[in-house]
Amino acid sequence: DAGVIQSPRHEVTEMGQEVTLRCKPISGHNSLFWYRQTMMRGLELLIYFNNNVPIDDSGMPEDRFSAKMPNASFSTLKIQPSEPRDSAVYFCASSKQTQGQPYGYTFGSGTRLTVV
Amino acid sequence: SQQGEEDPQALSIQEGENATMNCSYKTSINNLQWYRQNSGRGLVHLILIRSNEREKHSGRLRVTLDTSKKSSSLLITASRAADTASYFCATASNTGNQFYFGTGTSLTVIP
Repeated sequence: DAGVIQSPRHEVTEMGQEVTLRCKPISGHNSLFWYRQTMMRGLELLIYFNNNVPIDDSGMPEDRFSAKMPNASFSTLKIQPSEPRDSAVYFCASSKQTQGQPYGYTFGSGTRLTVV
Repeated sequence: SQQGEEDPQALSIQEGENATMNCSYKTSINNLQWYRQNSGRGLVHLILIRSNEREKHSGRLRVTLDTSKKSSSLLITASRAADTASYFCATASNTGNQFYFGTGTSLTVIP
């Protein structure tokens, strides 16, 4: 298995532009998580999906952020319009949840977003 | 906030020494996990300890959990230069399936 795959690895965009980050979870994993990492705030959970359904999006900072998971093998995180303060590394992670069993996450390599 | 806090923020040791990092959290948990992050990379799962466990070992790693003090420690024995990374604890609540990560300890192992 290639692990969790994120694209692009790096993204530089101008303020006001739309940005779309992509994630392919590990096959067979039924939970997917989007995190944002900055020096100031550390790792913040933005949203997570279970069986393609958004369960908790309370970490999404603003309406400019949206996430979708149209099927078990693909998810997107979209920022529209982007702002300089959105600059961060965005991580996608997946896991296989089984009832009563704790589990670990597998993280992707992240997308480093710079908004200028 | 459920977010854990690691202590110290930064740690520098000589190769061969042991490294100890601590994590404190605020709410009841189902389990606690430790992750490592190398510079510019994603996080890698190291070890999981359940709330009813007190100690767990994996290779050179030893994790303890004290639920009465809401704290955990990660010990890396006989450290190597390759252990240089940031280490994070992550806690999952009894009712939630999501993990909240601490602020991390930056470990530098000097060859």
